[in-house]
Amino acid sequence: DAGITQSPRYKITETGRQVTLMCHQTWSHSYMFWYRQDLGHGLRLIYYSAAADITDKGEVPDGYVVSRSKTENFPLTLESATRSQTSVYFCASEKDRVGEQYFGPGTRLTVT
Amino acid sequence: AQSVTQLGSHVSVSEGALVLLRCNYSSSVPPYLFWYVQYPNQGLQLLLKYTTGATLVKGINGFEAEFKKSETSFHLTKPSAHMSDAAEYFCAVSHTNTGNQFYFGTGTSLTVIP
Repeated sequence: DAGITQSPRYKITETGRQVTLMCHQTWSHSYMFWYRQDLGHGLRLIYYSAAADITDKGEVPDGYVVSRSKTENFPLTLESATRSQTSVYFCASEKDRVGEQYFGPGTRLTVT
Repeated sequence: AQSVTQLGSHVSVSEGALVLLRCNYSSSVPPYLFWYVQYPNQGLQLLLKYTTGATLVKGINGFEAEFKKSETSFHLTKPSAHMSDAAEYFCAVSHTNTGNQFYFGTGTSLTVIP
């Protein structure tokens, strides 16, 4: 029972590079989410997905791209990383509309 | 627009003392309310949630929260703090009008003093 996993757990990259953060869930939950966590801001929603091939922007989508070709995977790509994208990124999934969200362990990304 | 305010970014209590973490929300429609806990270097874990029904909600680890519509509050309490309660706590609000979008507060760091 793996639940929801994220990889890598830690990543250091340089400004301008493309980075992809992976998220995988084993529950076949319909909904998946990407958040970033920054001191003083709590968690802010980047993108979410209601099902495979359905994605929508959250509060802070600029500079990020998502895709969801399979229900269980929801990768987040930083097309050209900037220092302001240094953060901890959390993936979450949810079975039903407005239910409990289950969070992955997070990816700590540093952009130098 | 939805928003969540957590009063006090840092709260310290003595072991065995009452824990009170405050959360106020703004919502134009009845909300769904959540408290999550985050231990160091881990993801968020649900403590409890209110959707409908009884306004006093009990969660894991002895925590409970009461939905007070008139005060737009959802404060988290625990009668007796334990050292293992030291963590970051997040209040969140959502409702059907926003689909599945959760709006999180900025968090409260709880320190338990032995």
